[in-house]
This record gives sequence, C-alpha cells and structure tokens, in this order.
Amino acid sequence: KNEVEQSPQNLTAQEGEFITINCSYSVGISALHWLQQHPGGGIVSLFMLSSGKKKHGRLIATINIQEKHSSLHITASHPRDSAVYICAVSRDTGNQFYFGTGTSLTVIP
Amino acid sequence: NAGVMQNPRHLVRRRGQEARLRCSPMKGHSHVYWYRQLPEEGLKFMVYLQKENIIDESGMPKERFSAEFPKEGPSILRIQQVVRGDSAAYFCASSPTQGYGYTFGSGTRLTVV
Repeated sequence: KNEVEQSPQNLTAQEGEFITINCSYSVGISALHWLQQHPGGGIVSLFMLSSGKKKHGRLIATINIQEKHSSLHITASHPRDSAVYICAVSRDTGNQFYFGTGTSLTVIP
Repeated sequence: NAGVMQNPRHLVRRRGQEARLRCSPMKGHSHVYWYRQLPEEGLKFMVYLQKENIIDESGMPKERFSAEFPKEGPSILRIQQVVRGDSAAYFCASSPTQGYGYTFGSGTRLTVV
C-alpha cells in the first residue's frame, strides 16, 4: 500500500466545471504539497499546507490533519488546467517526500 | 532568482556510457533532493544532500549511481554504465531548511539507447 493515495487517477471535465482531486496519506507529515506537472514539462509547486486552507486564484487546497486527507479544488476549470496533479507529503521524521501517483486532468473546451 | 536550474533538459546516452545530471539550487538553499520518475510511474525519492554531505541515500540504487553536492557548484547525479532501465525523468528540488520551502527544477529527461 502506498503511503499516499490519490483519486481519481484520471479525470475529464468540461470547461467551467468545478473539479476536486483527493489525497489520503497514512504517515505522519510535516507538510502536504500539491504539485502540477504538464506533459513533457517540469514540476510546479502549487501549495504547501500544514493545516487549514489555502487559495491561489482559481485553486483551493484544504487539509484535515486528523483525517489525514487533503483536497485540491479548481473552480471554473479551463483547458490550460489540463495537467497531472500530484499530492506529496514530507515526513515528520526523516528526509523523504512520498508522492501519490498523480491525477491526470483533461479539461475539454 | 532563477529558481532551481537543471541541465541538460534532455540527455541521450548509449548503453554503457556515463550520464551526469546537474542541479543548481535556488540562491540561499543548501538542501538538495533528487527524485526519479520512471515512465508510467510516480516520483520516487533517491537522495538528500546538504553542502558536501549526503544525508539520506536510501532511495539510490546500490550500484552505478552516485550523487554529490560540493561546496562550490551544482549538485551532480552521476550514473555510470547506463542501461535502458535508467531512462527516466530526474527531478531535483531544493529547500532553505529541511522539510519546508521546496522548489522543484524542470527535470532532466534521460534516454538510454
């Protein structure tokens, strides 16, 4: 079992739809990260969370430490949001990141 | 601040050759992490370094792979005698302190032919 589980694996949405990607983890963490990876491209860090909620433009990330769960929301989705979204956690002990396998999002015009 | 710089972006090597991947961390960041993304798989931790020290190499293959982060210059991930299975995207991240403020590079895509 992976330390970090994401769902769904693949997601197709119509432009304008509200999108939610979920992440659950099973280890103690110091922070949770949401990353974005475009095809053939690098990785961009979207959010780093240790509690509560953060918002940046149309993106919102929340975390529930007690339930070990985080969600990434995209409001008014746009085709340029099409990418792989990766949840990652940095451990509260040791030096590693653990990564989810990613959610591949396609937004159709 | 140019961010985390990785080069080359793409690297093609023949089987048996050496591959050298470079990572220049963000200014002021002394912690460097290397990750590998195999085709159709998620990212996996390889090694964590601070200046002149390897802190955690638990994710590094036991043979052919090595990493360094010298006092001056970029961090280097070195793969000797590459094989086809080494073909992957290799990402570097840096942070100012352990555990916070990670910034990722754009990756080096290694293809072994």
